[in-house]
Amino acid sequence: AQTVTQSQPEMSVQEAETVTLSCTYDTSENNYYLFWYKQPPSRQMILVIRQEAYKQQNATENRFSVNFQKAAKSFSLKISDSQLGDTAMYFCASLFGNEKLTFGTGTRLTIIP
Amino acid sequence: ETGVTQSPTHLIKTRGQQVTLRCSSQSGHNTVSWYQQALGQGPQFIFQYYREEENGRGNFPPRFSGLQFPNYSSELNVNALELDDSALYLCASSSLQDPYGELFFGEGSRLTVL
Repeated sequence: AQTVTQSQPEMSVQEAETVTLSCTYDTSENNYYLFWYKQPPSRQMILVIRQEAYKQQNATENRFSVNFQKAAKSFSLKISDSQLGDTAMYFCASLFGNEKLTFGTGTRLTIIP
Repeated sequence: ETGVTQSPTHLIKTRGQQVTLRCSSQSGHNTVSWYQQALGQGPQFIFQYYREEENGRGNFPPRFSGLQFPNYSSELNVNALELDDSALYLCASSSLQDPYGELFFGEGSRLTVL
């Protein structure tokens, strides 16, 4: 089975600091997509960033960037200059082959003022 | 551009009852997926609909069923409710023409089964 694992249930960081959320996955596919989704309290889930497995360059979206290590099957999210609005649940997710989007169990991130 | 909307936002049912949840997809999207998110867990894929046909199903029993209408809106029906069905049910729309498969989520329907 193809799986996505997030080993950090909760994290907290001071405002303006940098934080890294971890994610590992397991697949036998060569072509797949990886995603980080953000779910703020009582609000809808939104896409933060995505990575195509065949692209070696790490994706970046403003303060959000990923460290994609294909051989290690690792896909971590780095949030720079963290803001109070970054407080949310963060889900790592994958799209392997013809399967549907598979989510990890999430990391609850709290930004402390 | 209209986003994904779900109704109702909250509802309470008793064990054995039936429930119908509704979803309006984002304009221009032809695919709807339903996910179940239990408390403290990540969303679990229930099924997906494309052009009114089921296009993939997760590990959920047949009492979970769905419909997609010509306007791409969708319903999730759950029969014979069990206590473990208590969860946030998320609807997400997408376009199969999108190679990334990005999903656009609604705010969810929170179901409590007593």
